Amino acid sequence: EAGVAQSPRYKIIEKRQSVAFWCNPISGHATLYWYQQILGQGPKLLIQFQNNGVVDDSQLPKDRFSAERLKGVDSTLKIQPAKLEDSAVYLCASSYGQGRTDTQYFGPGTRLTVL
Amino acid sequence: AQSVSQHNHHVILSEAASLELGCNYSYGGTVNLFWYVQYPGQHLQLLLKYFSGDPLVKGIKGFEAEFIKSKFSFNLRKPSVQWSDTAEYFCAVRSGGATNKLIFGTGTLLAVQP
Repeated sequence: EAGVAQSPRYKIIEKRQSVAFWCNPISGHATLYWYQQILGQGPKLLIQFQNNGVVDDSQLPKDRFSAERLKGVDSTLKIQPAKLEDSAVYLCASSYGQGRTDTQYFGPGTRLTVL
Repeated sequence: AQSVSQHNHHVILSEAASLELGCNYSYGGTVNLFWYVQYPGQHLQLLLKYFSGDPLVKGIKGFEAEFIKSKFSFNLRKPSVQWSDTAEYFCAVRSGGATNKLIFGTGTLLAVQP
């Protein structure tokens, strides 16, 4: 079974530039998550999709971050404009999204450096 | 607000030593608990999980964890570590409700010396 795919793996940009990340979840997984992991911290949820609807985006800085999952499969996360403090690893995870035994599986992440 | 505490930020052990990594959470209701591991250069992988039933949970690669509800703890253990266990270990809790949001601890970096 193929895992969660993410691209690019690494990205370096200057502050105030824009950047986009792509995620392809495990086939059949209805729920997709984007997490931000800052160096020295654990992952923090930014946004959760159930199919193509948003379930939780309470931690998403909506003035600069946006995410979409138009067809209920792939997702993109965008930052515009980027700030220095956005330097982090952006993790995508997916799960079936049903029941208390639901388990999330993570992709390799995109390491973003903002200069 | 829910939180997860991992008190050991860096642990250095010699091969064959026993391991116990602490994890405490703050939430009074029903919780699901997880340990994830991130080996150097690899992505987060599920090590083990607790949903209900036997509080002693066995995972992959000889790891186990014990859920102690009265102590709000879910400590990870392994009787004899190997060099290949060098990795970062994250404890996470999910409280259920409308979302499946995981709350992660800050991680413990384990270095096993051969």
